Order: sequence, then C-alpha cells, then structure tokens
Amino acid sequence: QVQLQESGPGLVQPSETLSLNCTVSGGSISSYYWSWIRQPPGKGLEWIGYIYHTGSATYIPSLKSRVTMSVDTSKNQFSLKLSSVTAADTAVYYCAHPPILWGQGILVTVSS
Amino acid sequence: EIVLTQSPGILSLSPGERATLSCRASQSVRSPHLAWYQQKPGQAPRLLIYGAFSRASGIPDRFSGSGSGTVFTLTINRLEPEDFAVYYCQQYGTTPYTFGQGTTLEI
Repeated sequence: QVQLQESGPGLVQPSETLSLNCTVSGGSISSYYWSWIRQPPGKGLEWIGYIYHTGSATYIPSLKSRVTMSVDTSKNQFSLKLSSVTAADTAVYYCAHPPILWGQGILVTVSS
Repeated sequence: EIVLTQSPGILSLSPGERATLSCRASQSVRSPHLAWYQQKPGQAPRLLIYGAFSRASGIPDRFSGSGSGTVFTLTINRLEPEDFAVYYCQQYGTTPYTFGQGTTLEI
C-alpha cells in the first residue's frame, strides 16, 4: 500500500524559501504524477502543481514564478520549494496523487 | 482553468435525512475525472468518490456520485452524525487541477 509523508520546517521567515519533501513508501515514485496541494487555515484547497519522475513539472500560473518542484528517484522523494514567502503562504501543505493518495499534511507558518 | 462552483455553501439537515450536493464546472470535465472529498477539522481530505461515481475503498454505499460534463452531484442517504463535515469536489482531468469552494453540511 503506497503511503505519502511530508516533512520539513513548520516555521519559515517572511521573504525566505519554503522547502518541503514528500517520501513515497510502499511503491515506486516512477509511477505517477505527484502533486502538491495547500490549504490556508479555514479556507479551501488549492492545487499548486505536479511533477513526473522525469522531472517534467506543471505549476499553477499564480505561483509559477515562485515554485520549483523536483524529484529524487534514489530516495523515492519529491520536493517543493516556494520562494519569497509571505503570511499568505501559511497553510497546510499536502503531497498527493489525487484523488487516490494523500499525505497527512504539514502546517507551515510564515512568520518572523 | 476549469472553475468548479459548489452549491449550496451551507446545507443544514438532520440525521436520517438525504443530502444532495452540487458541483458545476465552467467547462466539461474530461473522462470524467471528478472526485468528492469529505474533510473534518484538523484532518486531511478523505476521498469518497472518484471518476464521478466510483466509491473509494471503505466508503459506505450511503454515498453516491453522479453526473457528467459540467454538472455533478454527491448524494448522501440516511445521514449519520459523522457525516456532518465539509465536502469538496475536484477535477483532475485538466491542469490546473481545481477544487470547488466547499459545501458545509451541518446539523
């Protein structure tokens, strides 16, 4: 059974870069497109983008200038980097292969 | 971008009743790659329905999905107390994948 687990800092300084990893266990990362999705506190869900094991990625236009996704097949991990963060980027971040597979989510707070 | 509009925003019902939630897309959803999720406070979304009408593993048959093209419906028969939560639809057929704004099902 494939499972996803997010990891990374829970607190990021404004203007810095948010960095998260997602570890895929129980299966190969070379099977699917892997997404990042976020949910600000008390708000709805927003798909950020996805990446394939080849490194090909697609991002939502509103975040495209600040987002970078990458894959490390040797670790069965994929990653999210979001630069120049502000308080508006405070959210629970999920890694997923929607709709079937979701991580439990990680809260990232942007604050000094 | 495919915009998904859910209605109603808030649905007030009682245990034992039937809930009907709507999700309308601004353009046709491919295949259809349309999913429904349930979310409770502090929890990740729980997949209920995928492919517009296929129930996910372990989901009671009280939950059913229907629709095609631009109009989709989630029906919950015989509401149980644990069903009161927020429900989201999502299309995953065309990038950017998009979510509806959610329907709150409350007692």
